[in-house]
Amino acid sequence: SQTIHQWPATLVQPVGSPLSLECTVEGTSNPNLYWYRQAAGRGLQLLFYSVGIGQISSEVPQNLSASRPQDRQFILSSKKLLLSDSGFYLCAWAQKGKTNEKLFFGSGTQLSVL
Amino acid sequence: GNSVTQMEGPVTLSEEAFLTINCTYTATGYPSLFWYVQYPGEGLQLLLKATKADDKGSNKGFEATYRKETTSFHLEKGSVQVSDSAVYFCALRPYGGATNKLIFGTGTLLAVQP
Repeated sequence: SQTIHQWPATLVQPVGSPLSLECTVEGTSNPNLYWYRQAAGRGLQLLFYSVGIGQISSEVPQNLSASRPQDRQFILSSKKLLLSDSGFYLCAWAQKGKTNEKLFFGSGTQLSVL
Repeated sequence: GNSVTQMEGPVTLSEEAFLTINCTYTATGYPSLFWYVQYPGEGLQLLLKATKADDKGSNKGFEATYRKETTSFHLEKGSVQVSDSAVYFCALRPYGGATNKLIFGTGTLLAVQP
């Protein structure tokens, strides 16, 4: 069976510090991978998605970047965090090649930038 | 552009009450529509979906009908339980999207009291 791991669950970081959130998927190969963010009072916003190793598409301009160094690994990064980067970050995957296939979400990371 | 609008929460109900969470959308063509649920401390999981007009998605006693004439996908349940307490997200997948990107609403917190 497929599983998705996301860590850490919570993170408190000072403004200006770097960030690295990691997400790994098991039990499937060549998935589509996604990073979403939920800011307070707002819906889930798609930040990045990837259809393959090294292929990253950014949905919104921002202070964050994403990388996919391995097929089932998706990393969200920042060199210098801003207060506005606070939020709940969710990694997700979907099987490629099927229309209307559902997304499978990780349990999320609550990031607080102080 | 594509967007999803959900009723604001929190929605507080007594056990066995009738539930309606409103969701309307703006999209070109014929998007697919979804409801995801996020239980406390967990990631999102698909609750139900509908892929064309007049389709009814159903799961765990929840139902939603794809109404193109009113661009709506309201979530309903006849008798809620305490275990239904969660955040509910309405989402759409744009027509013709090949990457399974989803556009989410802001989420509606449902609190069911015994």
